[in-house]
Amino acid sequence: DAGVIQSPRHEVTEMGQEVTLRCKPISGHNSLFWYRQTMMRGLELLIYFNNNVPIDDSGMPEDRFSAKMPNASFSTLKIQPSEPRDSAVYFCASTATGNTEAFFGQGTRLTVV
Amino acid sequence: GQSLEQPSEVTAVEGAIVQINCTYQTSGFYGLSWYQQHDGGAPTFLSYNALDGLEETGRFSSFLSRSDSYGYLLLQELQMKDSASYFCAVKGSGAGSYQLTFGKGTKLSVIP
Repeated sequence: DAGVIQSPRHEVTEMGQEVTLRCKPISGHNSLFWYRQTMMRGLELLIYFNNNVPIDDSGMPEDRFSAKMPNASFSTLKIQPSEPRDSAVYFCASTATGNTEAFFGQGTRLTVV
Repeated sequence: GQSLEQPSEVTAVEGAIVQINCTYQTSGFYGLSWYQQHDGGAPTFLSYNALDGLEETGRFSSFLSRSDSYGYLLLQELQMKDSASYFCAVKGSGAGSYQLTFGKGTKLSVIP
C-alpha cells in the first residue's frame, strides 16, 4: 500500500481564494482524521470521520472550513474564503477500528498571502 | 474534551537516556500513544499503552499509569537521529468512535 496520500504537497494562494485539500486514506481503514499543525497551537484535530460519517467536527475553526468524505477512499478539506491565519501544515491520517496506530500523510503546506 | 501536557523542549547528550513526560485529562480514555516527527516530516507511530506498565520496543519504552493520568516515553542510547519532536496522544471515545488528540509536542535535541 502507498500509505495515506495527500495533495497538493504545497499550496500558495491569495487571501479570499478557495482552497481544497485532498486525502486518500489507506485501503481498508475506516477512520479518517484531519489535523492542522502550527508552531503556536501544535497538532489540532479539526474533524474525524468513521465509516465516511463525520463524527466530531468541533475542532473546525469556523464556517469557512468544511470537510467531506463522499466514499471510503477520498476526503476533502475546503477553506472558503482563505485567510493568512489559515497558513499551516494540514495532515490527514487514517486508521482502522481496533488499530492502535494512525498513519499520517505527508501533509499539505498551505500559505495564504 | 481532552487536554495533554508535555514539556516543550528537552536537550540530552548522545548515548544518554531521556524521559519525556505526559499528563492528560480526558472524558474518555482508551490508551496513550507516542509519535515521532522529524522537521518537515509527518508524525510516525512509536508506541501505544492501554494498560498500566511499561512497554519496550528496542531503545524506546513507554509507560502508563491510568490512575495518575500520566505516561512517559523513555529513549535509551540516544542517537543524533533521535533529534525530533515527540507527541503523546490520547485515544479517547467520542460518539461511538475513537478520537485521537495530540499534545503540543516535545522538541528533543541530541547533542554530541
